[in-house]
Amino acid sequence: SQQGEEDPQALSIQEGENATMNCSYKTSINNLQWYRQNSGRGLVHLILIRSNEREKHSGRLRVTLDTSKKSSSLLITASRAADTASYFCATAVEMNRDDKIIFGKGTRLHILP
Amino acid sequence: DGGITQSPKYLFRKEGQNVTLSCEQNLNHDAMYWYRQDPGQGLRLIYYSQIVNDFQKGDIAEGYSVSREKKESFPLTVTSAQKNPTAFYLCASSIDYIRGTQETQYFGPGTRLLVL
Repeated sequence: SQQGEEDPQALSIQEGENATMNCSYKTSINNLQWYRQNSGRGLVHLILIRSNEREKHSGRLRVTLDTSKKSSSLLITASRAADTASYFCATAVEMNRDDKIIFGKGTRLHILP
Repeated sequence: DGGITQSPKYLFRKEGQNVTLSCEQNLNHDAMYWYRQDPGQGLRLIYYSQIVNDFQKGDIAEGYSVSREKKESFPLTVTSAQKNPTAFYLCASSIDYIRGTQETQYFGPGTRLLVL
């Protein structure tokens, strides 16, 4: 897998159900972020979880991080039509003196009415 | 109302033409970035700037150029050397460039570039 790879590529669920997306990465990270992108729009930052954290909540969002497995998950509870979007994880990779963020290809989430 | 803006929303390029995409932010952020997004793909970094009058190549800089003469502005020029420019271009900014820790990036609404 490449750095910051989301799984599944696409997900369709009924409104009201929970949606879970996963992100796997290859190298050590300091932090991992999740972003949302509505069709044809820019990305919106959702949540940042640091390497020493295991779980973080923000409203209906829950993010977990397992550094031993090099993976993270994003859970959206009680999904709504407005949650239909693509979701990207972003990991920082140390390159020479600086870190740079690498975005995965995203999970396309579709909430069915 | 603070934020990051991009213009135009749609841009058409003719063969052999250079075009410039605008990116402006009033968030007082030091760092700015340009990404390219192709359909169904993630974001690939074109150029980034940590501070005024300084910028660095990203992963796919060939065929692109930038300038950073003002803190709030980071225009991207797609040159005729870029043979496959059709894509969605996203500009972003962050308080500071990443140094050992990630910084949240704030994105503009994007510019869709199409070739005639």
